[in-house]
Amino acid sequence: QVQLVQSGAEVKKAGASLRVSCKASGYTFSTYGLTWVRQAPGQGLEWVGWISAYDGSTSYAQQLQGRVTMTTDTSTSTAYMELSGLRSDDTAVYYCARDPLLCSGPSCYGGSLEYWGQGSLVTVSS
Amino acid sequence: EIVLTQSPATLSLSPGEGATLTCRASHSINSYLLWYQHKPGQAPRLLIYDASYRAAGVPDRFSGSGSGTDFTLTISSLEPEDFTVYYCQQRRSWPPTFGGGTKVEIK
Repeated sequence: QVQLVQSGAEVKKAGASLRVSCKASGYTFSTYGLTWVRQAPGQGLEWVGWISAYDGSTSYAQQLQGRVTMTTDTSTSTAYMELSGLRSDDTAVYYCARDPLLCSGPSCYGGSLEYWGQGSLVTVSS
Repeated sequence: EIVLTQSPATLSLSPGEGATLTCRASHSINSYLLWYQHKPGQAPRLLIYDASYRAAGVPDRFSGSGSGTDFTLTISSLEPEDFTVYYCQQRRSWPPTFGGGTKVEIK
């Protein structure tokens, strides 16, 4: 069965960097992308970005450009999301989700996020 | 970027009642609209894809409709476990975007 297992909760200081991992199993890792979504306390779901596990191409939320980096390690079927220059408003639960899309941009659409990781709570303290 | 507006923000209903949640897109998204259920402490759960198709294992009391810019999620008869937050998401235009959510609470 498809599973996405994320790394545990972290507490970080403002200005520090963070890396969350998402280990996939139960499917061929390189034939899907991965989407990252976060939810700040009391807020809704926010799309963070996407990475293709096929070729490593990425697309990030505009408001996080320059601070977020997504990578994959196909040898371990693991995706990583790194966020630098942490601020208090980065405090959130971060989720990874398997994404059927292997491209981004105007001609890439459709699919659904059927499988999700359990979430990783990130707390940024000042 | 396509903006999704969900209404109402909060819906107060009793178990057994029906619920109608709406999601309006700022531009046409054809039928590339999904609905998720999100319970506290859990990952979001896909309910509906392509506006009207139930995901695997989703009870038939959940149904979706709409196309273009206006969409509806209907819960025919609320069960206790249905009282939580629901989000719509569009997958027609990059980047994918979420609506702000509708909380279904017990009246």
